[in-house]
Amino acid sequence: KAGVTQTPRYLIKTRGQQVTLSCSPISGHRSVSWYQQTPGQGLQFLFEYFSETQRNKGNFPGRFSGRQFSNSRSEMNVSTLELGDSALYLCASSLFATANTEAFFGQGTRLTVV
Amino acid sequence: GQQLNQSPQSMFIQEGEDVSMNCTSSSIFNTWLWYKQDPGEGPVLLIALYKAGELTSNGRLTAQFGITRKDSFLNISASIPSDVGIYFCAGLSFMGNQFYFGTGTSLTVIP
Repeated sequence: KAGVTQTPRYLIKTRGQQVTLSCSPISGHRSVSWYQQTPGQGLQFLFEYFSETQRNKGNFPGRFSGRQFSNSRSEMNVSTLELGDSALYLCASSLFATANTEAFFGQGTRLTVV
Repeated sequence: GQQLNQSPQSMFIQEGEDVSMNCTSSSIFNTWLWYKQDPGEGPVLLIALYKAGELTSNGRLTAQFGITRKDSFLNISASIPSDVGIYFCAGLSFMGNQFYFGTGTSLTVIP
């Protein structure tokens, strides 16, 4: 059974550009969550999608957006990149985020903004 | 967003020693998860706990779901060099639609 796949693994962008990251969850999983991880801030929740609907959103500016497709694959987009957006972006998939569920992470996308 | 209080923040131990770390929250959780993360990689799930009081083992790892539903601990027995990494706890909200993460415990094992 394939795990969570995130693409690309590494990205280098310049300030002001935009970027799209992709996450393919484990087959059958309908919930996808996105996190930003930086050394000083730990894992910060961005948003969660379930069946193409955003159910939860963290405290990030509107430059961060996402969507989920009918096959549960999800994308997140960051527009007008800033240096502080450099981070490891992780997605996690769950069967359906209720009790007795587990979240499995992808390897992450390392974004560097220069 | 809410983060769980995880302690200690870092640990330096000798190979063969036992390790204990814990997570506390002001909120009740239905599920507690423990992860290990290696540098540059995504967190890997180690143990999942679903019931208050539950004690679960996975090899040298043992974790417990606190009776109050507001805390959990992870023990690693007889540590080895490959245990090095950052350990995170995560709690699933009562509404069941968001995981909250601890701030992480960085473990260094000295051979």
